[in-house]
Amino acid sequence: DSGVTQTPKHLITATGQRVTLRCSPRSGDLSVYWYQQSLDQGLQFLIQYYNGEERAKGNILERFSAQQFPDLHSELNLSSLELGDSALYFCASSLLAGGGPDTQYFGPGTRLTVL
Amino acid sequence: DQQVKQNSPSLSVQEGRISILNCDYTNSMFDYFLWYKKYPAEGPTFLISISSIKDKNEDGRFTVFLNKSAKHLSLHIVPSQPGDSAVYFCAASFGTSYGKLTFGQGTILTVHP
Repeated sequence: DSGVTQTPKHLITATGQRVTLRCSPRSGDLSVYWYQQSLDQGLQFLIQYYNGEERAKGNILERFSAQQFPDLHSELNLSSLELGDSALYFCASSLLAGGGPDTQYFGPGTRLTVL
Repeated sequence: DQQVKQNSPSLSVQEGRISILNCDYTNSMFDYFLWYKKYPAEGPTFLISISSIKDKNEDGRFTVFLNKSAKHLSLHIVPSQPGDSAVYFCAASFGTSYGKLTFGQGTILTVHP
């Protein structure tokens, strides 16, 4: 158990809908990261938040957004869902902001299925 | 553009023998590397890391070797155990955005009893 929690574990929805994925980091960690794992793309970095502020951005679609709240939990919002958004979404957390080598600890993931 | 590559999709090893998983990278800016293990229906679990100032790092049965000139790293597992059967990912990062990990596609390791 990494100490990172994600809810829900599974999510099934229809195209065009909007969903919210939630992540709670390990106790003491200030950074939260979101990754997408699809069959053909592997694990892709989406976005990082550190202590409530966006810190780094990857290949995140404009239809996707995230935020980190004062209690450090984070939410990933996916809107106007398409079939291709079906994937595993992982949250990870770490202590540092990203200015130095750091270890990320991953949650169990949320499996999103768009029908 | 696949900046981190794991060219072997799978590897099969006998229990007790050495498992060697390989990873190549193209971006010479990468200076921090990590290995993760992933079981089905779970998130990746951190195994071991190495900074580019070193060429070897050990932790129990796991050793990571880094060859900067060849832009190659490898993970050695000795001795291999059936519980090591999983997907192994290498990841890399650098500079002001160490949080932005770039992952390889993964290698499925199967350790036979």
